[in-house]
Amino acid sequence: QVHLVESGGGVVQPGRSLRLSCVASGLTFSTSGMHWVRQAPGKGLEWVAGIWYDGGTGYYADSVKGRFTISRDNSKNTLYLQMNSLRAEDMAVYYCAGTITGDGHSWFDPWGQGTLVIVSS
Amino acid sequence: DIVMTQSPDSLAVSLGERATINCKSSQSLLYGSNNKNYLAWYQHKPGQPPKLLIYWASTRESGVPDRFSGSGSGTDFTLTISSLLPEDVAVYYCHQYHSTPHTFGQGTKLEIK
Repeated sequence: QVHLVESGGGVVQPGRSLRLSCVASGLTFSTSGMHWVRQAPGKGLEWVAGIWYDGGTGYYADSVKGRFTISRDNSKNTLYLQMNSLRAEDMAVYYCAGTITGDGHSWFDPWGQGTLVIVSS
Repeated sequence: DIVMTQSPDSLAVSLGERATINCKSSQSLLYGSNNKNYLAWYQHKPGQPPKLLIYWASTRESGVPDRFSGSGSGTDFTLTISSLLPEDVAVYYCHQYHSTPHTFGQGTKLEIK
C-alpha cells in the first residue's frame, strides 16, 4: 500500500522559515516525480512546486519562486519543502503528491494527508 | 499559464439524479504526439486529501465507481456523476498537467438538493 506522510507544519511568524517533509512508502519513490500542493483556508487547491525523480530539476509557482525550495533524498524516500520569508498568504494545508512519471508531468496520485502551516505573529 | 475555469461554482442535485460539472481550459490540453488530453479530476472531502477520479480526461482510476465518468477534448471537459449518492457530496476539481505550472480549476461544490 502506498503511503505519503507529511510533517513539519506548525505556527510560524511572518518572515521566518519552516521545512516540510514527506516520507513515502510502498511507492517507487526514486523514479517518481513529486509535488507540493496547498489549500489555504476557504480556498481551492494551488500547485506549489514539483521536482523530477532525480532531484535535478525543480519548478515553482510564481507565488513562491525565490522563497521556497523543493528537494528530495531518494536514499531516505523523503521529499522536502524549505519555506523561507513566510507570509500570511502562505498559511495553508500543504499536501505532497506523487506521479507516475519521472518528470512529474502527470496526474497527482497518491496524496499525503497534509500538514497545516499557520503564519501568524 | 493555462487558466482552468469550472462551472458552476456550486451545484445542488437530488439523490439519484445526474450531476454535471464543466471545466474549460484557456489552451488546448490535447498533446499531438500521443493524442491524449492532459486533464484529471479529483474529489475532495473536508479533512481528507484529494482523491483521483479520472485521468487522461476520461480514464477512470481503479476502484472509482462507474457512476463517475469524464469526457471532452481540447479545451472543454465534463465530469458526470450518473446517479448521485450521499457520499458524493464534496468539492470537485479539474487539473491540467499539460504544461508547467500545473493549474487547477477553482472547484465545484456539490451538494444534495
